[in-house]
Amino acid sequence: DVKVTQSSRYLVKRTGEKVFLECVQDMDHENMFWYRQDPGLGLRLIYFSYDVKMKEKGDIPEGYSVSREKKERFSLILESASTNQTSMYLCASSLLQGGQETQYFGPGTRLLVL
Amino acid sequence: GDSVTQMEGPVTLSEEAFLTINCTYTATGYPSLFWYVQYPGEGLQLLLKATKADDKGSNKGFEATYRKETTSFHLEKGSVQVSDSAVYFCALSEGSGGGADGLTFGKGTHLIIQP
Repeated sequence: DVKVTQSSRYLVKRTGEKVFLECVQDMDHENMFWYRQDPGLGLRLIYFSYDVKMKEKGDIPEGYSVSREKKERFSLILESASTNQTSMYLCASSLLQGGQETQYFGPGTRLLVL
Repeated sequence: GDSVTQMEGPVTLSEEAFLTINCTYTATGYPSLFWYVQYPGEGLQLLLKATKADDKGSNKGFEATYRKETTSFHLEKGSVQVSDSAVYFCALSEGSGGGADGLTFGKGTHLIIQP
């Protein structure tokens, strides 16, 4: 079974703090993604990466950065947390097989910024 | 750009009722289509998928057929159970045959099944 883990289930931070959200997958997947989930808005793509040290902006990258130093690990960084970044953050990984891609998700990190 | 529209709910049904959750999409190419399910307090799990027109995805009694002519991928189940209570997300990907692009999600449908 594919396993995607996220470092924390719940996190409380203060405005202005630097926040690291970690994601690890154990299936040697090439592609990894960060989404945020908000009521009434569904899931929105923040950043993704298709290889080590590679990153691409998603739909809402502002206020975020990412790091992919190893294939299995994809980190989301909030340089200076703000209250509007309070959200559920979901990490996913995927593999292209036969030209098709399926994404597998971690359990999510619920972040509260005070 | 791509978009996915689904009924938001909450949808409340009695156990053993028939379920339909509508999903329509807008895409420039020929996307793959997915249904994901999120149980309370958990991440998203892939429920089923279809990669080309007229394909039917199925899993755990749920089915959805890729209808290109109506740009739809409605989720159905013949007899729902209390354990099916969750949030269901319809999604599409235009990354087939190429690199990863991320998924475009609908806003989710909250399904509540009453005993």
